[in-house]
Amino acid sequence: EVQLVQSGAEVKKPGESLKISCQGSGFSFISYWIVWVRQTPGKGLEWMGTIYPFDSDTTYSPSFQGQVTMSVDKSIRTAYLQWDSLKASDSAVYYCARRVGGYDYWGQGTLVTVSS
Amino acid sequence: EIVMTQSPLSLPVTPGEPASISCRSSQSLLHTNGHNYLDWYLHKPGQSPQLLIFLGSKRASGVPDRFSGSGSGTDFTLKISRVEAEDVGVYYCMQALQNGTFGQGTKVEIK
Repeated sequence: EVQLVQSGAEVKKPGESLKISCQGSGFSFISYWIVWVRQTPGKGLEWMGTIYPFDSDTTYSPSFQGQVTMSVDKSIRTAYLQWDSLKASDSAVYYCARRVGGYDYWGQGTLVTVSS
Repeated sequence: EIVMTQSPLSLPVTPGEPASISCRSSQSLLHTNGHNYLDWYLHKPGQSPQLLIFLGSKRASGVPDRFSGSGSGTDFTLKISRVEAEDVGVYYCMQALQNGTFGQGTKVEIK
């Protein structure tokens, strides 16, 4: 069974760093593009960027370039999304998904709350 | 960056009746391979988004045949032939030709 399992909810303060994860199972993890999508009540779904686990080829949306870093650890079939210095505006639900035609399997989402 | 524009942004529907959502892109999504790189997703409250349609008109696995996608180039439409109560949520189109961009979303609710 194909699954993408994300790490749990996080509560952080502005300026703190954070790394959330997305572990794949039931498919050849290195062979599928993994995307990160942000969901906020005000802006809906936003495409953040994508990474190809085989070679870590990464493309960021211009809106998120320089704001986050995507990475993978192929040995444990896990993709990561990290922030060096969080802002309150980073509060959102973050989803990972794999692309086969469309984004056919999604993680359950990780709620990130950034508040002083 | 390709901009996606959906209409309407809110759509009250009556169960059993048809419904339609429009999506327009700022650039053609037609690839030289003949495919339109346009997906449709449904995001139900408390759930992860789910893929309905990819490549403009191909229904994803397990998606009821009351959902259909059409269009080419810059103009696309998602149609629900007979709305059911379980179809409520926010519908998004997304271009996948140049990385990805979602539309603003269309909130579908029962009248």
